[in-house]
Amino acid sequence: NAGVTQTPKFQVLKTGQSMTLQCAQDMNHEYMSWYRQDPGMGLRLIHYSVGAGITDQGEVPNGYNVSRSTTEDFPLRLLSAAPSQTSVYFCASSPNPSVDTQYFGPGTRLTVL
Amino acid sequence: ILNVEQSPQSLHVQEGDSTNFTCSFPSSNFYALHWYRWETAKSPEALFVMTLNGDEKKKGRISATLNTKEGYSYLYIKGSQPEDSATYLCASNTGTASKLTFGTGTRLQVTL
Repeated sequence: NAGVTQTPKFQVLKTGQSMTLQCAQDMNHEYMSWYRQDPGMGLRLIHYSVGAGITDQGEVPNGYNVSRSTTEDFPLRLLSAAPSQTSVYFCASSPNPSVDTQYFGPGTRLTVL
Repeated sequence: ILNVEQSPQSLHVQEGDSTNFTCSFPSSNFYALHWYRWETAKSPEALFVMTLNGDEKKKGRISATLNTKEGYSYLYIKGSQPEDSATYLCASNTGTASKLTFGTGTRLQVTL
């Protein structure tokens, strides 16, 4: 099992550009989530999904879109990148976060100039 | 917004010392409390998930307890080693089963 994979590992964007961060898992987990990590702020939930076709907003959803067309994939789209979106992004998956742990991907470091 | 708080923010101990950290969370509508270990330049790794009041979990020299009535969990490390140096995160999905709220972590540094 590859676990949770994320691409790319690093990305530099200009303000206003759009891009998609990819996340995939091969553990057949129903639950997937996206977090951003900023200094002094810990991990903040952006969006999450409890199964294919179902997504919901987390704590900081503005400026991001998600979709969940398959159990395996949960891409995060930045619609019009802003410097405030410079961060490290982590994707995670779990069978059920109310009783099971989450498994994290390796992260994507994004810089918006 | 749910507040999950961790203390201390950072901790510096000598090799062989035992130490503990605190995670506090709202006690109403509780589902689970998670602990993760996070090394620099890596992704968080799961330590424990606890769901019941009075739960105690152990993994090697690391253990954790849970008090859901008063809304706190303790993480203990016995005989700290330099490889224990990391940030320890707790997270709770109190109130909403599907939304995990993380604390800002306790950064532990263990020196020889």
